[in-house]
Amino acid sequence: GAGVSQTPSNKVTEKGKYVELRCDPISGHTALYWYRQSLGQGPEFLIYFQGTGAADDSGLPNDRFFAVRPEGSVSTLKIQRTERGDSAVYLCASSLYGTGVEETQYFGPGTRLLVL
Amino acid sequence: ELKVEQNPLFLSMQEGKNYTIYCNYSTTSDRLYWYRQDPGKSLESLFVLLSNGAVKQEGRLMASLDTKARLSTLHITAAVHDLSATYFCAVPPYNNNDMRFGAGTRLTVKP
Repeated sequence: GAGVSQTPSNKVTEKGKYVELRCDPISGHTALYWYRQSLGQGPEFLIYFQGTGAADDSGLPNDRFFAVRPEGSVSTLKIQRTERGDSAVYLCASSLYGTGVEETQYFGPGTRLLVL
Repeated sequence: ELKVEQNPLFLSMQEGKNYTIYCNYSTTSDRLYWYRQDPGKSLESLFVLLSNGAVKQEGRLMASLDTKARLSTLHITAAVHDLSATYFCAVPPYNNNDMRFGAGTRLTVKP
């Protein structure tokens, strides 16, 4: 079946603007994760959803960042008052259950966000 | 706080040679993952290692885990150009799901 998809693939915005990034997980996957990857670095955890609820949002850097998953499938990451330091690739991943030791997270292609 | 360190960060190899990438992590975890990332692409899962002494092999790559030493290795045998990519190890805190990634090892295999 289809993998994790993310839209848009690229987003250029101006400092201070609001952006929304969308993630469509693999069908049937209950767990969904958002990561941020800066150039030359490994992905950094932002938030994890189990179903509709945020099970762990400890990685969100500040209150400008917010994510929702209202129906337990598609998720939207929202960034208010964007800053140049928010520029990065935002990766979404999903896994089948979110629990269980052998869970593998499958990653989407990412959204490249550039804040001018 | 769980920290994950990889070394080397950059690795240039000749085709046909062998080499090992190391991944250390700072606190207890119940599993470790290796991912591959090609330039401009997303991450592709390579291995999940679940227990002390676990070893998994796929083609020219072999991964192992020593939970007591909090160390995993990714061994490359007889490297070929197609293996050129960045390799990440990732470790979730014990009984948790938010993964902590290493900085990655950028591997270049030259003919």
